[in-house]
Amino acid sequence: EPEVTQTPSHQVTQMGQEVILRCVPISNHLYFYWYRQILGQKVEFLVSFYNNEISEKSEIFDDQFSVERPDGSNFTLKIRSTKLEDSAMYFCASRTDLNEKLFFGSGTQLSVL
Amino acid sequence: RKEVEQDPGPFNVPEGATVAFNCTYSNSASQSFFWYRQDCRKEPKLLMSVYSSGNEDGRFTAQLNRASQYISLLIRDSKLSDSATYLCVVKTDGTASKLTFGTGTRLQVTL
Repeated sequence: EPEVTQTPSHQVTQMGQEVILRCVPISNHLYFYWYRQILGQKVEFLVSFYNNEISEKSEIFDDQFSVERPDGSNFTLKIRSTKLEDSAMYFCASRTDLNEKLFFGSGTQLSVL
Repeated sequence: RKEVEQDPGPFNVPEGATVAFNCTYSNSASQSFFWYRQDCRKEPKLLMSVYSSGNEDGRFTAQLNRASQYISLLIRDSKLSDSATYLCVVKTDGTASKLTFGTGTRLQVTL
């Protein structure tokens, strides 16, 4: 089965630093997402991206967050100035169509110290 | 009221037991419903979609009651490998068709 690939699997950073989380969605997919899961809590929607623009974002996705699809394969999440509360597992996901199955990557565990 | 509400458990059951999980959702405009499975520190994986008519996949049966905004999952003949967290997930159609997750119900199957 095709896979969504995320790198790195673990990222440790100091508070206030910028981090970029990388994802390679499945090649023929058109809709891209970031979700996050704080330890012990539920998976939460952050942002969706389609046709090179954000289609929807949650309240969590404030000005410190941005997403980009810089080329035909990568989809990145940038956090400009990390806070302790940004520590979480970040999942990238993609799908071909809004009615099709959503494929999740294995996640990046971000630890902000 | 939480958008998707589940009993967090844990449910500790012996191998071979039947166990049922329930979930309620608050948004009556929700269109699609799913059960996902999540192993510790792993990504959620789709277990099955849930339909009003009820659907079965091997030992797993899911049911949706739209009037009560209630979703259920039944696992028969539990295996050790079923130990995981089961996430109730609701999709609301729109520009993103985002998924809204419950906090999950932890299942531990023991010998």
